[in-house]
Amino acid sequence: DVKVTQSSRYLVKRTGEKVFLECVQDMDHENMFWYRQDPGLGLRLIYFSYDVKMKEKGDIPEGYSVSREKKERFSLILESASTNQTSMYLCASSRQGPDTQYFGPGTRLTVL
Amino acid sequence: AQSVTQLGSHVSVSEGALVLLRCNYSSSVPPYLFWYVQYPNQGLQLLLKYTSAATLVKGINGFEAEFKKSETSFHLTKPSAHMSDAAEYFCAVMYSSASKIIFGSGTRLSIRP
Repeated sequence: DVKVTQSSRYLVKRTGEKVFLECVQDMDHENMFWYRQDPGLGLRLIYFSYDVKMKEKGDIPEGYSVSREKKERFSLILESASTNQTSMYLCASSRQGPDTQYFGPGTRLTVL
Repeated sequence: AQSVTQLGSHVSVSEGALVLLRCNYSSSVPPYLFWYVQYPNQGLQLLLKYTSAATLVKGINGFEAEFKKSETSFHLTKPSAHMSDAAEYFCAVMYSSASKIIFGSGTRLSIRP
């Protein structure tokens, strides 16, 4: 059974803090993705990675960075959290090419 | 620009009634099409996908969707709604040259007893 796990289900941080969200997949997938989900806006792609140490910006990369040092792990970093980054963050992974993306359970981040 | 449009941010049906969730995409290139479901406080789960084989695709939980190229549509249906179908549903499109998915804004399905 495929599995994508995220380090926290709920997280509360203060403005200006550095925040790390971690995602791990056990399917040996090449591609990994970070989305944020906001009501009425659907899912918006922040960054994705198609190989170790490789990354590409998505639609809304501002204020975020990512790290992929190992194939199974993809981290999202908020260098200095702001209140407008309060959101649900979803990680996903897939094989190369046009294939199904498998999602983790999400991290609901609140920035106060 | 490539896009996915889901008509209706909220759909409400009675238990046992037909479920119809609408999805249209914009492209002249045949895409890969997906429907995902999201239950409260969970991630997205694949319901079904179209990958240029049969135009009528059957998925989990009794859902199916039909790809209509002439209408650029991929509507999701279920003959008889169940209370457990209450969730948010996302239509998504992917093009063969990329691994990125474009998601619609979602449709929240409510089921009335």
